[in-house]
Amino acid sequence: SAVISQKPSRDICQRGTSLTIQCQVDSQVTMMFWYRQQPGQSLTLIATANQGSEATYESGFVIDKFPISRPNLTFSTLTVSNLSPEDSSIYLCSVGDSRHGYTFGSGTRLTVV
Amino acid sequence: QKEVEQDPGPLSVPEGAIVSLNCTYSNSAFQYFMWYRQYSRKGPELLMYTYSSGNKEDGRFTAQVDKSSKYISLFIRDSQPSDSATYLCAMSPDSWGKLQFGAGTQVVVTP
Repeated sequence: SAVISQKPSRDICQRGTSLTIQCQVDSQVTMMFWYRQQPGQSLTLIATANQGSEATYESGFVIDKFPISRPNLTFSTLTVSNLSPEDSSIYLCSVGDSRHGYTFGSGTRLTVV
Repeated sequence: QKEVEQDPGPLSVPEGAIVSLNCTYSNSAFQYFMWYRQYSRKGPELLMYTYSSGNKEDGRFTAQVDKSSKYISLFIRDSQPSDSATYLCAMSPDSWGKLQFGAGTQVVVTP
């Protein structure tokens, strides 16, 4: 299965600023997925990122708040913009498919103060 | 009603016991089923994945799917303190479909 390197592992950010999270995969993948896990909650899909096209966002998530880049088949970034305390969560990237299961990065723990 | 229901626990068992976890779901289109283990401050780790109904075994882990009852289970034999974690079920209707997660069950294995 693919190995994902996710950075940063954690950050503390000021209200109103932005944080960009990077995910690097050790193999080429068609789709990359970005999730949010709020404290004590399960995972919620933010968007699906395909190389060379606009990301597809789930209901409740918008591009202005969560812009995503996917410049090639092994890398993607998620930016969380205009931070508020409600954005304090763990953000995870993932690759794979349902037939073989999905692999997750180690997560980025964001605290907004 | 949530699409996937999972008891959040905590579920406490003595070392060596069998851990029994389950999820129920409402969407009959789900065909792919997965179990993840998540340690505190870590990303989810894939334990098992299955397609449609049936059983699958891997070491101490057994996954069961009963599509007629919309019920999936994970059994952990000979549990160890290192099995203490949150276990999440996840499911999808097709190969590239959106994963729907359960809430996760916290498991504590006591020495």
